[in-house]
Parts: sequence; C-alpha cells; structure tokens
Amino acid sequence: AQSVTQPDIHITVSEGASLELRCNYSYGATPYLFWYVQSPGQGLQLLLKYFSGDTLVQGIKGFEAEFKRSQSSFNLRKPSVHWSDAAEYFCAVGLYSSASKIIFGSGTRLSIRP
Amino acid sequence: GAGVSQSPSNKVTEKGKDVELRCDPISGHTALYWYRQSLGQGLEFLIYFQGNSAPDKSGLPSDRFSAERTGGSVSTLTIQRTQQEDSAVYLCASSLGTVSEAFFGQGTRLTVV
Repeated sequence: AQSVTQPDIHITVSEGASLELRCNYSYGATPYLFWYVQSPGQGLQLLLKYFSGDTLVQGIKGFEAEFKRSQSSFNLRKPSVHWSDAAEYFCAVGLYSSASKIIFGSGTRLSIRP
Repeated sequence: GAGVSQSPSNKVTEKGKDVELRCDPISGHTALYWYRQSLGQGLEFLIYFQGNSAPDKSGLPSDRFSAERTGGSVSTLTIQRTQQEDSAVYLCASSLGTVSEAFFGQGTRLTVV
C-alpha cells in the first residue's frame, strides 16, 4: 500500500539559515511526487512537483526538491529561509496507474527563529 | 469555475445529526478527492473519484461516511449520526486526472457538539 513518511514533526530554523525537510515513500512502482505548503489559516498550495525527467526540481518561493529513487526520498530544500516560510509542509505521492490516488504525509511544521 | 469551491465553510452540528458537505471541482477536472484534517494533523485520505471508474473508498473511516459524485462534477460527502471525533476540516481537491497535481478548496470546518 502507498505510504509517505515525514519523520520530522516540527523543525525550527533561524531566519536566513538553510532548510531541508525530509520525505520518504514506500512503493514498488514509479511514483510522482509533490510538496504542498499550508500557511496558518490558508489553503494548501503546491510548491513543486516531480513527474519524470530531471530529478532536481525547482518550485515557487525559492524551494527545490530532489528525487532519489535509491533512497525512496524526495527532500525539500531552501538555501535561506524567510520568516514568511513559517508554515506546515506536506509531502504527497501518487502512482503511475489508472486508479492512483494522492497520499499525503503527516506534515512538518516549520517555525522560524528571528 | 476558477477554483475548487466547498460549502459550507463552517458547520456546527449536534452529535447524532447527519451532515452533507459539498464540493464543486474545477471545470474539466476528472479526478476528485476528499481528505480530512484533524487539528494539528496531516491529511487523511477518505475517497477518490476518477472519471467513470468505481470510487476508491478505502479511506472512509466507517460506514457512517459516504460520498457521491453526480454527473462527474459536484460531489457530496455525507456523514451520518455524527460523533465528536468527526470534528475536523474536510478538504476537497480536484485534478485533471491521474498523474496531475491536486488543487484544493478552502475546506469545510465541521464541529460536532
């Protein structure tokens, strides 16, 4: 069955510091992958997506993520965080099949230290 | 429409009552999802509709929960005999099909008192 793991429940980083949020998935098939962000009181917004091709994908707001098939990972990175990046981040995975659904991880809450 | 629309935005109901939550997906999107997000939690998959295929109901937590999608467009999630543990934000999303990102509505916040 599909499963997505975000091992870090809550991360605090200083403003201007680099960030990496972890995401691991459990599948036997080829996945497609997403990162979404949910700011306080806001809806879910797509940050970036990976379907195929280049394993390093760029997203909005200066975020990027790298798909590593050998590690079953799709970690989200940002070289320098801003206070406005404080939010909940969700990794999501789907499968290349006619009946695939998108499954979300439990989320990582990011706090920014001034 | 311009985006996924959910109604009502807030719903307070008494324990034991039935509730219906509505979702209007983006026009032309063949896939529709329902998720549940409890306070401080992740998104729990409930049900998935894709075109004319039988829905994937594997995430529905009990037989009190059901959903339908009429004419391949609007969807209604029904919770019968609501319980306090049903209190959560119910999120609907739609996508162009498989292998496509999901676009989310703003959700319906359900409070069972």
